[in-house]
Amino acid sequence: QVQLVESGGGVVQPGRSLRLSCAASGFTFSSYGMHWVRQAPGKGLEWVAVIWYDGSNKYYADSVKGRFTISRDNSKNTLSLQMNSLRAEDTAIYYCARDWKQQLEDWGQGTLVTVSS
Amino acid sequence: DIQMTQSPSSVSASVGDRVTITCRASQGISSSLAWYQQKPGKAPKVLIYAASSLQSGVPSRFSGSGSGTDFTLTISSLQPEDFATYYCQQANSFPLTFGGGTKVEIK
Repeated sequence: QVQLVESGGGVVQPGRSLRLSCAASGFTFSSYGMHWVRQAPGKGLEWVAVIWYDGSNKYYADSVKGRFTISRDNSKNTLSLQMNSLRAEDTAIYYCARDWKQQLEDWGQGTLVTVSS
Repeated sequence: DIQMTQSPSSVSASVGDRVTITCRASQGISSSLAWYQQKPGKAPKVLIYAASSLQSGVPSRFSGSGSGTDFTLTISSLQPEDFATYYCQQANSFPLTFGGGTKVEIK
């Protein structure tokens, strides 16, 4: 079955960087677009970024554009999110999700990022 | 960006009740809409895709309808395991956007 496992979360100071990873299994990773979605504590869902199945296209939410970079390694079935210049408002659970026609068909369990001094 | 407005933000209901949640898009999105269920401490789970198609394994008491700008998620007979928060999401264009959520609580 589809399995998505995020890692890399933690506590980081404002202005610093963090890299999240998502290990995928149970499906042909190189055939699917992938997303990052986040959820601040007690809040709703916010879409963050998407990458095409082959890495050829990427889109970002305005709130992270220029600071976050989504990437993938199809040889390792891994999705990544490089987060730079982190702010307090980036504090959230970050989920990776498998795309199906811009809908989020399968989700990981999430990894918590806390930006605090 | 397309704004998604969900209502109500919360609803109190009893087991066996029919519950309806609405979602309105700020511009037409055809049938490019999904509904998700999220329970506390868990990741969201897709219930409905393409506005009215039931995801495999989802009970038939869940149904979706609508197109253009107005959409509805209906739970025909609320079960104890359905108490959760529900989100709509437009899949028409980037950036993808979610509704603010509807919390279904026990009456």
